[in-house]
Amino acid sequence: GQSLEQPSEVTAVEGAIVQMNCTYQTSGFYGLSWYQQHDGGAPTFLSYNALDGLEETGRFSSFLSRSDSYGYLLLQELQMKDSASYFCAVRRRVGSGGYQKVTFGTGTKLQVIP
Amino acid sequence: SQTIHQWPATLVQPVGSPLSLECTVEGTSNPNLYWYRQAAGRGLQLLFYSVGIGQISSEVPQNLSASRPQDRQFILSSKKLLLSDSGFYLCAWSPPNQDYEQYFGPGTRLTVT
Repeated sequence: GQSLEQPSEVTAVEGAIVQMNCTYQTSGFYGLSWYQQHDGGAPTFLSYNALDGLEETGRFSSFLSRSDSYGYLLLQELQMKDSASYFCAVRRRVGSGGYQKVTFGTGTKLQVIP
Repeated sequence: SQTIHQWPATLVQPVGSPLSLECTVEGTSNPNLYWYRQAAGRGLQLLFYSVGIGQISSEVPQNLSASRPQDRQFILSSKKLLLSDSGFYLCAWSPPNQDYEQYFGPGTRLTVT
């Protein structure tokens, strides 16, 4: 079957580092995306990992291990504005026609405290 | 640069009334287009996606429908709203074959009363 799991909430201190995990179980896996969504706003694309390893974009890094069916988003030098929900999304193959489908996780709500 | 527009921002409709939400994209051609619904504090549920004019794939059977009359226009409709249709509706686009990188509109918050 298909599953995608994220912790529901994480609290971290301003200036610190936080890691938000995403574990998945799926066939035909292509890659893992991350999105940020502030309360009342729309999701914004952060990163996509198709290969194993760490991808860094400024304070944000995303990691993927295909063998462990696991990924994480790492935020460094946390700021109050980083308080938001973070969604992972699995891209996978569906059917035999080479079609892809993206499925979003339920998200991790990050609260940054002073 | 690409821009996605979605309206209205908020909508209050009585049960049984029709619905039409519109989404348009600027600055790109032949985008993939998506409609999502998000319940309060929950994840994103894909409702429909389209890879081209007149090509609509439905993910969840319900009383909603979608149409793509033009390359960069995506419309979500219902003939009769249910209470359970309340939620935050998001339109998104991605470049062709790059569905892993979606860009979302500002959303429509629909309350069915």
